Amino acid sequence: GAGVSQSPSNKVTEKGKDVELRCDPISGHTALYWYRQSLGQGLEFLIYFQGNSAPDKSGLPSDRFSAERTGGSVSTLTIQRTQQEDSAVYLCASSSLAGLTYEQYFGPGTRLTVT
Amino acid sequence: SQKIEQNSEALNIQEGKTATLTCNYTNYSPAYLQWYRQDPGRGPVFLLLIRENEKEKRKERLKVTFDTTLKQSLFHITASQPADSATYLCALTSGTYKYIFGTGTRLKVLA
Repeated sequence: GAGVSQSPSNKVTEKGKDVELRCDPISGHTALYWYRQSLGQGLEFLIYFQGNSAPDKSGLPSDRFSAERTGGSVSTLTIQRTQQEDSAVYLCASSSLAGLTYEQYFGPGTRLTVT
Repeated sequence: SQKIEQNSEALNIQEGKTATLTCNYTNYSPAYLQWYRQDPGRGPVFLLLIRENEKEKRKERLKVTFDTTLKQSLFHITASQPADSATYLCALTSGTYKYIFGTGTRLKVLA
């Protein structure tokens, strides 16, 4: 079946603009993660959605970042008033929670460049 | 604070040899440890999971060990091939959905 998809694959924006990044998880996966990966850095946890539960937003770096997940499927990560330090690859992952080991299936990522 | 360390220097090995990558952690009691492979421009791909009460896990040419006393996991690729060249990430969780990822080690297998 189809894997996790993300769009756009690349996004170049000017400082101060808002951007929206989209994630389509694997059908049937109830858990969805957003991560940020900067050059030479590990994956930085941003936010976690599980079913209809309140999301874990503890990793969002500032109030300029927000995310939503509609209908338990597609998720959108929004960054308002982008800054140059927001430049990174944003990765989405979904999980079926089988065995509660949280094996994650990642999308290809969106490379965001803020000029 | 919790910390995961993977060798940031690239590991170059000759084709056919065994590659061994290390993941060390501090101030953490992981219940599960995962290894992922990441190719340039792509998202990580899950390879193996090992539980805290397991010493070793194998899958084809891959072997993972987990030593909770040494706070270390070793990831081995036997009979390595150039196609194994990639960055390998380890990730730990105390048992919840929240995994902490290492920065990864880049492996290059030379033909």
